[in-house]
Amino acid sequence: DPKIIQKPKYLVAVTGSEKILICEQYLGHNAMYWYRQSAKKPLEFMFSYSYQKLMDNQTASSRFQPQSSKKNHLDLQITALKPDDSATYFCASSQEQGANQAPLFGEGTRLSVL
Amino acid sequence: QQQVRQSSQSLTVWEGETAILNCSYENSAFDYFPWYQQFPGEGPALLIAIRSVSDKKEDGRFTIFFNKREKNLSLHIKDSQPGDSATYFCAVLNTGNYKYVFGAGTRLKVIA
Repeated sequence: DPKIIQKPKYLVAVTGSEKILICEQYLGHNAMYWYRQSAKKPLEFMFSYSYQKLMDNQTASSRFQPQSSKKNHLDLQITALKPDDSATYFCASSQEQGANQAPLFGEGTRLSVL
Repeated sequence: QQQVRQSSQSLTVWEGETAILNCSYENSAFDYFPWYQQFPGEGPALLIAIRSVSDKKEDGRFTIFFNKREKNLSLHIKDSQPGDSATYFCAVLNTGNYKYVFGAGTRLKVIA
């Protein structure tokens, strides 16, 4: 059974719309992350949360907003979608954010913006 | 600025051979080095990892060799199988900000 659940698996959106990508982890981890992967770039760090607090934000655009309603949830809201946002978005988690704590990844949400 | 470099975009080996995937990095503050395996349509899966205090880590058919002085490491896959065909990512932990930086990946194909 997958321990990091991402929904939906596939998502098609029109330019200018808004979508929410869902992530829940059942590993009891305290740190959660979002990464983006596209043909142009390797796995790219976006956000990290530790104990539901934002620790790091490497996304230049405020159109990307993580939301943590519960300790094991970290959703990603994307507004004013652009075709360049098309990518696979991976949620990940680790016991803590720190040394020797390599993140474990979910299956990803594949987003296509038309 | 490419902080982590994987020397080959793709690599093809025959079944039974040892596949060697190389990775180098720039920053001495990097301390922990996991490798991930990713199959098409799936998320990256943690395969094996090494700390900078070690020079070798072995787990079954997978071995990491690490050279701190040269700032490079390699993943050896012994007795490669067609089921090992996947993309392999080298990652490094920057202890300055506790963020993982990923290489661009090496796509391995094992031919039966």
